[in-house]
Amino acid sequence: DVKVTQSSRYLVKRTGEKVFLECVQDMDHENMFWYRQDPGLGLRLIYFSYDVKMKEKGDIPEGYSVSREKKERFSLILESASTNQTSMYLCASTLPSGNTEAFFGQGTRLTVV
Amino acid sequence: AQSVTQLGSHVSVSEGALVLLRCNYSSSVPPYLFWYVQYPNQGLQLLLKYTSAATLVKGINGFEAEFKKSETSFHLTKPSAHMSDAAEYFCAVSPNSNYQLIWGAGTKLIIKP
Repeated sequence: DVKVTQSSRYLVKRTGEKVFLECVQDMDHENMFWYRQDPGLGLRLIYFSYDVKMKEKGDIPEGYSVSREKKERFSLILESASTNQTSMYLCASTLPSGNTEAFFGQGTRLTVV
Repeated sequence: AQSVTQLGSHVSVSEGALVLLRCNYSSSVPPYLFWYVQYPNQGLQLLLKYTSAATLVKGINGFEAEFKKSETSFHLTKPSAHMSDAAEYFCAVSPNSNYQLIWGAGTKLIIKP
């Protein structure tokens, strides 16, 4: 059974903390993505990576960074968490083709207080 | 820029009634089109995808969608709604790139007993 696993389902962090969200996939996919999901806004792309050590900014990269040191792992970092980063974060992976299915993790609901 | 429009943030139908969720896209060339479903507190999973092989696409759980190039639409239907269909549904487009999906804002499907 193919899997994308996010390290936490729920997280509560304080304003100003550095936050790490981890994502691991076991499908040997080249592409990995971090999305943010907010009601009425759908999925907004934060960053994506098409290869190890490669990254590209998505639509809303401000306040975030990413790391991809190994093919199977893609980390999202909130350098200094703020309350407006309270959201659901979704990780996904795909093969490098436009018609391929995206596989999603279960999501991490992050609350910044 | 490419965009995806889902008409109606919430759609309510009675159990056993027809489900129709609307999706329109903007694209100068036929893209790859997808419908994903998200059950409460879960990640997204693929319902079906259009990749130009056939305009009527059948997916899981009795859902299907028809690609209409002249209307730039890819509406999702199911003949008879079931309580277990209550979820949020997302339409997505992959223009021609090899990695980026463009998402609609999502439609929450509510099933009335």
